[in-house]
Parts: sequence; structure tokens; C-alpha cells
Amino acid sequence: NAGVTQTPKFRVLKTGQSMTLLCAQDMNHEYMYWYRQDPGMGLRLIHYSVGEGTTAKGEVPDGYNVSRLKKQNFLLGLESAAPSQTSVYFCASSYSQWNNEQFFGPGTRLTVL
Amino acid sequence: GQQVMQIPQYQHVQEGEDFTTYCNSSTTLSNIQWYKQRPGGHPVFLIQLVKSGEVKKQKRLTFQFGEAKKNSSLHITATQTTDVGTYFCAESPNFGNEKLTFGTGTRLTIIP
Repeated sequence: NAGVTQTPKFRVLKTGQSMTLLCAQDMNHEYMYWYRQDPGMGLRLIHYSVGEGTTAKGEVPDGYNVSRLKKQNFLLGLESAAPSQTSVYFCASSYSQWNNEQFFGPGTRLTVL
Repeated sequence: GQQVMQIPQYQHVQEGEDFTTYCNSSTTLSNIQWYKQRPGGHPVFLIQLVKSGEVKKQKRLTFQFGEAKKNSSLHITATQTTDVGTYFCAESPNFGNEKLTFGTGTRLTIIP
């Protein structure tokens, strides 16, 4: 049981490049989330999903897109990376809205030059 | 939007001293969760509080939910080096909501 996994662990992009971060969970959780973590800012919600085929905006969605084609996977895309998107990205999942303890992946450290 | 204030932002203590972090909300909460993030690691769930005035203990950690359900605290007795990390509170605006709003965290460092 791997829990929540994220790929890649590290990435360096140039401004304007695109990339996709992959999150996978094997706990059959309905809900999945993408957060970014910046120094002194805590965890801020980018997008989330309440089930396969659904997505919703969080607190800081601009510049990101997401897709949840399969229940176990949640993809975060950056179409045109900017230096302001340099951050650590965490994916999380939870069983339901009534049991919403969140399980986090190990994170992806992204640097945009 | 919701404001989740967490204080202090940083705390340095001698090993063996106690530590407390506080979480204050501008609105009445339905429930609050606490997470711990070790340096270089990811947040890990510690506990959830639901009832007004609720107190829960996990070994040296004591979690409390305020009577008015607008604040919460985490107290660690006799800190150890393994307690190093950042402690976050996270709140739901209403029970059954799938989203959490995280506080800014309190970073605890231990002086051996």
C-alpha cells in the first residue's frame, strides 16, 4: 500500500515551459487535492476534485489546470510556467467529506527560472 | 475568505521545555484538524477535534478546542528532538465540507 505518490520529486523549468505533475493514490479515496507551499504562507489549495471526472478551483487556481480522468490519479498542469510558480507542490487525498483526514504525498519541488 | 491565524510563527525551546501553538479563526468552526510536517517532509495528520471544549491527548501532546469553537491549541509537554517540525491547524467551514483551510503553521526548533 503506497498511499499517495507524486512524480517527479524535483523539476527545474524555464519561464514559459509547460509540465504536468502526477499524483496517484491507492486508497480508493474520493477526494484529491493539489496544494502549494511557500515559506510563511502555509498550504494553499490550488484545485481539488470530489470524484472521478470532477474538478473545482481552490484558493489560488490561476496558471494551473487539473484533470481527474481516473479515480486514483490527479494531474496538475502548468501551461506556461512563471517564476512565481516556484514552490513545493503537495498532493493529498481523503476518503470522503465526512471523513476528511487528508493523506499527503511526498511533494514536488519545482523551480522556474 | 476565512482567516486562520496561527501563533507563534516560530518557537525555539530547550529540550525538555513545554511548547504551545494557538490557532484562531474569525468564524465559528465545525471541526479542526492538526498536522505535523517534519523538515523536508510532508504534512501528517495528528488529530481532529469536533466538540466544543473538547480535549484530546496523545502521549505528550494535548489538543484543545475552545468553548466557542473559534480557537484551538496544541501543547507539547517536555519537548524532545523528535518534536521538531512545523505544526499546522486546518479547519472546515462546516462539517461535511471537503475542503480544509490551513493555518500558516508554527515552526518548532529544539535546542539540545
